[in-house]
Amino acid sequence: DSGVTQTPKHLITATGQRVTLRCSPRSGDLSVYWYQQSLDQGLQFLIQYYNGEERAKGNILERFSAQQFPDLHSELNLSSLELGDSALYFCASSVGSGVENEQYFGPGTRLTVT
Amino acid sequence: AQKVTQAQTEISVVEKEDVTLDCVYETRDTTYYLFWYKQPPSGELVFLIRRNSFDEQNEISGRYSWNFQKSTSSFNFTITASQVVDSAVYFCALSEWTGGGNKLTFGTGTQLKVEL
Repeated sequence: DSGVTQTPKHLITATGQRVTLRCSPRSGDLSVYWYQQSLDQGLQFLIQYYNGEERAKGNILERFSAQQFPDLHSELNLSSLELGDSALYFCASSVGSGVENEQYFGPGTRLTVT
Repeated sequence: AQKVTQAQTEISVVEKEDVTLDCVYETRDTTYYLFWYKQPPSGELVFLIRRNSFDEQNEISGRYSWNFQKSTSSFNFTITASQVVDSAVYFCALSEWTGGGNKLTFGTGTQLKVEL
């Protein structure tokens, strides 16, 4: 158990809908990262927050947004969902924001868009 | 742009065999960090090791060992006396500074199957 929690574990929704994925980092970690894992794209970085501030952005779609709250938990919002958004979404956390930090991953949220 | 290549898509071995998973990376950074993660069938990503670009000493942890060679941009992972529980997908990753934060660039993973 990495200490990173993600809810829900599974999510099934229809195209066009909006969902929110939630992540709580390990105790003491200030950075939260979101990654998407799909069969065709592999593991892709989406976005990083550090102590409430956005610090790095990957190829995150405009339909996706995220935020980190004062209690350090983070939410990833996915809207106007398409079939291609079906994937495993991971949250990870680390102590700091630099390259030297090990990222610890949560169990993931499996999103299925039908 | 950074790149991580894991050329072996799938490897099958019999229990107790040694197996090496290859990882080759590309980066223009002079300081960088490399990582290995394990993804068992249950799906979570488990951190295994971190290595910085200044430390070329090999590392051993139980049956696991890692060989970092800066000259060939490789960071290979060897499992000695493999066990069925080692069956998983293994990912090599490279950390990139983005000017305020960082991100991991992952390879495509190597599926390891250990059979009895």
